[in-house]
Order: sequence, then C-alpha cells, then structure tokens
Amino acid sequence: AQSVTQLGSHVSVSEGALVLLRCNYSSSVPPYLFWYVQYPNQGLQLLLKYTTGATLVKGINGFEAEFKKSETSFHLTKPSAHMSDAAEYFCAVSEAGGFKTIFGAGTRLFVKA
Amino acid sequence: KAGVTQTPRYLIKTRGQQVTLSCSPISGHRSVSWYQQTPGQGLQFLFEYFSETQRNKGNFPGRFSGRQFSNSRSEMNVSTLELGDSALYLCASSLDGTGGAGETQYFGPGTRLLVL
Repeated sequence: AQSVTQLGSHVSVSEGALVLLRCNYSSSVPPYLFWYVQYPNQGLQLLLKYTTGATLVKGINGFEAEFKKSETSFHLTKPSAHMSDAAEYFCAVSEAGGFKTIFGAGTRLFVKA
Repeated sequence: KAGVTQTPRYLIKTRGQQVTLSCSPISGHRSVSWYQQTPGQGLQFLFEYFSETQRNKGNFPGRFSGRQFSNSRSEMNVSTLELGDSALYLCASSLDGTGGAGETQYFGPGTRLLVL
C-alpha cells in the first residue's frame, strides 16, 4: 500500500534562507510523486511532479525536488525563501493505472522577515 | 480555460441533515476526484469518477456518495450529517485519470462545510 510521510508539521525559515521540506514515500511499484501548495482558503496548486526520467524536477516559483529511489524520498527545496512562500505544502504519491492519490499530512511553512 | 469550480463555497448544516456539493471540472477533463480535508485527518481520498462511473473509492462510510453526469460535472452527497463531517471538501479534475503519465489533477477552491 502506498503511504507518504512528511517530516515536520511546521517549518520556519528566515526570508532568503534555504527551504527544505522533507517527504518519504512507500510504494510497491514505481511511484508518481507530487508536491502541492495550498494557500489559505484555496485549493491545492501543483508545484511539481516526478513521473519518469530525470530525478531532479524543477517546478514553479523556484522550487525543485529530487527523487531518490534508494532513500524513498522526494524532498522539496528552494534556495531562497520569500515571504510569499508561506503556505502549507503537501507531498503526494500515486500509481499508474488507478487514479488514487495519497497525500501526506502537510507541512506548514512560515517565513520570517 | 476556466478552472475547476465548486459550489457552494460555504455551507452550514445541522446534524442529521443531508448536503449536496457540486463540482464542474475543467472543460475536456473526464475524471473527477473528491477529497475531504480536516485538521486532524489531513487530505483523504473519497472517490473518483470517470465517464459517469465510480472507479475508485476511499474508506468512507456509505453516507458519502457521489455521481457524475454526462458533461463530467460531479456531485457528492452526504446524508445524515455528523459533527465530524465538518471539513473542506475539495474536488479535482484531470484529463482521463489513468495516471499513465503521472497525470496532473487540478483542484477547485473547495466547499467548506460546517455541521452544527
């Protein structure tokens, strides 16, 4: 069965600092992996996704994530945090052939001025 | 292209009532999924519809049901509401939901349901 674990329900960084949000997954077949962002009172917006091919995936707003099969990880990073990055971030996994996406519990990112 | 729309955006009901939520997917999208989001349980998959058929189902009681119409619009219904049903209900659409290429889901803004 698939599962997703996001380490840290809250992460706080200073503006301009590195953002690192951790995600580990479990899947019996090669997974598709996603990061979504949710701003208050809004739905989820896709930041980036990994399907096949290059393991370093670049997304919107300067975010990127690296798929590491040996570590079953898909951590999200951004070199320099901006105040507008403050939001909740969700890592998710799905398997081909059956559309059922499993989401992690979410990590709320705080950005300090 | 218009995004996923959900109506109503906010809803207040009392225990024992029933509620119907609506979702209009992006034009051309045939798969619609529903999720429940609560502070305690996070985002949980309810069910997914494709071509008017329920293809996948999460672990929710039978009080939660849905349907999809020929134009891909979808509704979900919750009968005999309980306090614990208070949540943000999110709808997501995708082209055909096969996930063959890690298909992207596009989410609506959600319907916030409060059960008193």
